[in-house]
Amino acid sequence: EDKVVQSPLSLVVHEGDTVTLNCSYEVTNFRSLLWYKQEKKAPTFLFMLTSSGIEKKSGRLSSILDKKELFSILNITATQTGDSAIYLCAGRESAGNMLTFGGGTRLMVKP
Amino acid sequence: DTGVSQNPRHKITKRGQNVTFRCDPISEHNRLYWYRQTLGQGPEFLTYFQNEAQLEKSRLLSDRFSAERPKGSFSTLEIQRTEQGDSAMYLCASSLVWWAGGARGSPLHFGNGTRLTVT
Repeated sequence: EDKVVQSPLSLVVHEGDTVTLNCSYEVTNFRSLLWYKQEKKAPTFLFMLTSSGIEKKSGRLSSILDKKELFSILNITATQTGDSAIYLCAGRESAGNMLTFGGGTRLMVKP
Repeated sequence: DTGVSQNPRHKITKRGQNVTFRCDPISEHNRLYWYRQTLGQGPEFLTYFQNEAQLEKSRLLSDRFSAERPKGSFSTLEIQRTEQGDSAMYLCASSLVWWAGGARGSPLHFGNGTRLTVT
């Protein structure tokens, strides 16, 4: 059975701190790893990673995938209160199939 | 708004009643997915469609659950004889899959969900 595990479960930091969120996966016929941010409603897409060792960046967020060790990290630098959310990672079996999600990391950024 | 749209936003029902939710995906997307999310958990896969064909169902999808996508556009998820354990957020997502030397897929884009409360 496919499994995705995220750590830590929750994290409280102050504005300006840098955080690293972890995601390990066991997904049959793994194709890609996706990160989402979920505030109150819909998970919103952040990154999709298919290749090992290639960092993807979007502003203060970056992510990288290690397909040998079966994990990914999401980094957020210079955190802001607007970064407070649940961050979800998900493994995808092949290009079109469903995602298996981890339980999420709840990040709270205090002013 | 060209995102994924779900209706209703909230549904409160009594145990034993039937409920139906609707999802309108992004128009050019050919794949449509249903997920269920309970408090403190990540979304759990229920089922997905490629156009009008239902290609996979999770074992979480009991006989009381049925989903359709009759014309390959919008989809409905019906829960019959609701139970308190069905209380959750039901999320719909869509994506585009195409073939170019192998299958390629866009990220899933999610709607805002339907929150179901069974009393």
